[in-house]
Amino acid sequence: DQQVKQNSPSLSVQEGRISILNCDYTNSMFDYFLWYKKYPAEGPTFLISISSIKDKNEDGRFTVFLNKSAKHLSLHIVPSQPGDSAVYFCAAQLDKLIFGTGTRLQVFP
Amino acid sequence: DTGVSQNPRHKITKRGQNVTFRCDPISEHNRLYWYRQTLGQGPEFLTYFQNEAQLEKSRLLSDRFSAERPKGSFSTLEIQRTEQGDSAMYLCASSLATGLAYEQYFGPGTRLTVT
Repeated sequence: DQQVKQNSPSLSVQEGRISILNCDYTNSMFDYFLWYKKYPAEGPTFLISISSIKDKNEDGRFTVFLNKSAKHLSLHIVPSQPGDSAVYFCAAQLDKLIFGTGTRLQVFP
Repeated sequence: DTGVSQNPRHKITKRGQNVTFRCDPISEHNRLYWYRQTLGQGPEFLTYFQNEAQLEKSRLLSDRFSAERPKGSFSTLEIQRTEQGDSAMYLCASSLATGLAYEQYFGPGTRLTVT
């Protein structure tokens, strides 16, 4: 069973606009949630995390929101830049990381 | 370069052969993880070590797979009698076990193709 789900396989956003990537999870025992970015031919790169006791964490252009009652988290990128074009993975932690299937973000000029 | 390194980057092998991959973690990291990623999927956990102790193995890790981290530094993942279904990207990651967020840093992966 898929404990972490990213239902949108792709997203296309204009440069300068907001990108919103979504993730749903099923296990309320997860203690941390993380977002990773992956370029082709590279391993995933850690982007930002949030503890299950928080509802928001911000780092520069990246903000992660956690809604525990809905078991939903989202990553906001503002403003989006062409260099943000990559596959974004949501992951949830319980000793090990459980990843979603990824969302391919394309930022066009 | 002080990131996680993996060798080889690509491996093509015939069905039934054995293969071994190596991972060198970030030097001060005491946790080391192996993941497998197939097309259209996120990385799937295989196993992890804290220092030289292998603490958990996924049921994905059949008895044809074995991982070692003999001195708590680099790790090897061996697949015996490879099958076409083993074709995937094998990712290694390392982290510090701080008791807080386990922010794992990934290597570039080894792409295995079994023909």
